[in-house]
Amino acid sequence: QKEVEQNSGPLSVPEGAIASLNCTYSDRVSQSFFWYRQYSGKSPELIMSIYSNGDKEDGRFTAQLNKASQYVSLLIRDSQPSDSATYLCAVRGGYQKVTFGTGTKLQVIP
Amino acid sequence: GAGVSQSPRYKVAKRGQDVALRCDPISGHVSLFWYQQALGQGPEFLTYFQNEAQLDKSGLPSDRFFAERPEGSVSTLKIQRTQQEDSAVYLCASSLALAGVDEQFFGPGTRLTVL
Repeated sequence: QKEVEQNSGPLSVPEGAIASLNCTYSDRVSQSFFWYRQYSGKSPELIMSIYSNGDKEDGRFTAQLNKASQYVSLLIRDSQPSDSATYLCAVRGGYQKVTFGTGTKLQVIP
Repeated sequence: GAGVSQSPRYKVAKRGQDVALRCDPISGHVSLFWYQQALGQGPEFLTYFQNEAQLDKSGLPSDRFFAERPEGSVSTLKIQRTQQEDSAVYLCASSLALAGVDEQFFGPGTRLTVL
């Protein structure tokens, strides 16, 4: 079992729709959770961090964390073609080491 | 403000050559991380520094890989006797690492191609 699992996609959504990206993790002592966006040929860019159960909203982005289910998600409202990228889920365990998932490719169709 | 910088951005090496990759973290960031990213994969952890101390090098794939951060700022990742399987993008990230603030910010990466 991988430590951080994501569906590789591609996930296709029409412009203006809500994109829902999901991630599960195996380490129950994980403390910090991150979503990064990575455009092709570029390095990962931090979108959201979340540390406690519940929802955290920042503009069109909402991160959701459920530690009991070991599940973290990212919702993108009013999806735009510029949101088309690979979204990486990252989890920090008890130490500073951060483990990344393989990423979900999102395609927003105009 | 300046972000994380890496040099060179691209490196082509012949199999067996040694390479050195440099990372300049964000000023004041205590923690520095190196990752290796293969095509279509997420970044894979290589090693981690807190100031000049290398606290975790569990991800280094072999003893050909060596990293240092002697003064607690700039870091160098060295790969000796490069092999074709070393071809990847090498990413550096830094973090302020204050209590409750552990977000990592990435540099642009160095794309290494071993022929």
